[in-house]
Amino acid sequence: QSALTQPASVSGSPGQSITISCTGTSSDVGGYNYVSWYQQHPGKAPKLMIYDVSNRPSGVSNRFSGSKSGNTASLTISGLQAEDEADYYCSSYTSSLYVFGTGTKVTVL
Amino acid sequence: QVQLQESGPGLVKPSETLSLTCAVSGYSISSGYYWGWIRQPPGKGLEWIGSIYHSGSTYYNPSLKSRVTISVDTSKNQFSLKLSSVTAADTAVYYCARVWGVGWFDPWGQGTLVTVSS
Repeated sequence: QSALTQPASVSGSPGQSITISCTGTSSDVGGYNYVSWYQQHPGKAPKLMIYDVSNRPSGVSNRFSGSKSGNTASLTISGLQAEDEADYYCSSYTSSLYVFGTGTKVTVL
Repeated sequence: QVQLQESGPGLVKPSETLSLTCAVSGYSISSGYYWGWIRQPPGKGLEWIGSIYHSGSTYYNPSLKSRVTISVDTSKNQFSLKLSSVTAADTAVYYCARVWGVGWFDPWGQGTLVTVSS
């Protein structure tokens, strides 16, 4: 299966909101409500930020939210902070398999 | 609190077999859940390798299936990855993680860099 498509980079100023898209197909993103999002700081392991499209794990800031429309899922970060600067990856379940997105580098200006 | 820790050789020769182990603490593997391996080549994105249930049932990435074996040892509370016939393209940081439900990975181990080179 092919990797999900994400923009290579997204940037915003502190306090602003940004949205990262994750585009797949009807066989993965569009076919299941099993999209998750991960934040990865340099040299660190990925950290779960959103699961099942729009659910936030305990301890994750409510500034992070997820949604899905058709074959595209989205992660929105509101009230952007310096600590949000990191790489972000989406992932989708698809027929007993998992596919990740290409990754997006978020820069806080 | 569940914690995972990868271990294994950091350097593997081309054509040989890469072997890694993921030790789980704070939770008994035999109690349930799938457990997975994910890798990340330097400067690149994440790639799911495969997952295993405590009973031994496995699912593999089709692109790696012919070379991958994931096994579980409930007596040692750990699971393992073997990747055969490695090439430089298999150089990556390898992570292990618990698979929740059908769809997400949490927590992750800290990762271990495996370099394939002669």
